[in-house]
Amino acid sequence: GAGVSQSPSNKVTEKGKDVELRCDPISGHTALYWYRQSLGQGLEFLIYFQGNSAPDKSGLPSDRFSAERTGGSVSTLTIQRTQQEDSAVYLCASSKLPGQGFGGELFFGEGSRLTVL
Amino acid sequence: KNEVEQSPQNLTAQEGEFITINCSYSVGISALHWLQQHPGGGIVSLFMLSSGKKKHGRLIATINIQEKHSSLHITASHPRDSAVYICAVPINFGNEKLTFGTGTRLTIIP
Repeated sequence: GAGVSQSPSNKVTEKGKDVELRCDPISGHTALYWYRQSLGQGLEFLIYFQGNSAPDKSGLPSDRFSAERTGGSVSTLTIQRTQQEDSAVYLCASSKLPGQGFGGELFFGEGSRLTVL
Repeated sequence: KNEVEQSPQNLTAQEGEFITINCSYSVGISALHWLQQHPGGGIVSLFMLSSGKKKHGRLIATINIQEKHSSLHITASHPRDSAVYICAVPINFGNEKLTFGTGTRLTIIP
């Protein structure tokens, strides 16, 4: 696609429910990243994919969080048994040139705003 | 002490003024991203640089690897430049696991 696409753009859920957030990166971008931005906070790294594998999951805050990527393209971030502190904007980014020393230019999606009531 | 520090945290200026935002970092490798986040939340990558200077329109970014310092300059500032500017540093070679600064909120008054 023309840009990084994320869905849903907004999600309101009840505490304890599971949610899935989707990211469709730019075609041909092998690297995909999930970040989180909590209200009034800075951005924090969650997980990085190179192709379908996730060499770095160190940013996932708990085992309730998981992510997968299929076909080297679409990625899904799943949050199980959501808690209020999970409320944040979840941002996906992709880049074309990972592993080139310092990676490549990042292209961000518009984010998925999650509100856990 | 944050690993990536920006200054100032907030900056209000008149239209047309020359703007400088600074970023100092104590971690990461020799590269840095400058990002722009508008009030709607979307993030745009402005620059990725590992040495010297880059220019795009009215925006100029410089980096001093030895001093681990980068600056973002905006010439002839305009109200549409109002946004949060964020610098970010990759921790490792080979991917963009970034450590982010807390951002500089820029407001340009007409």
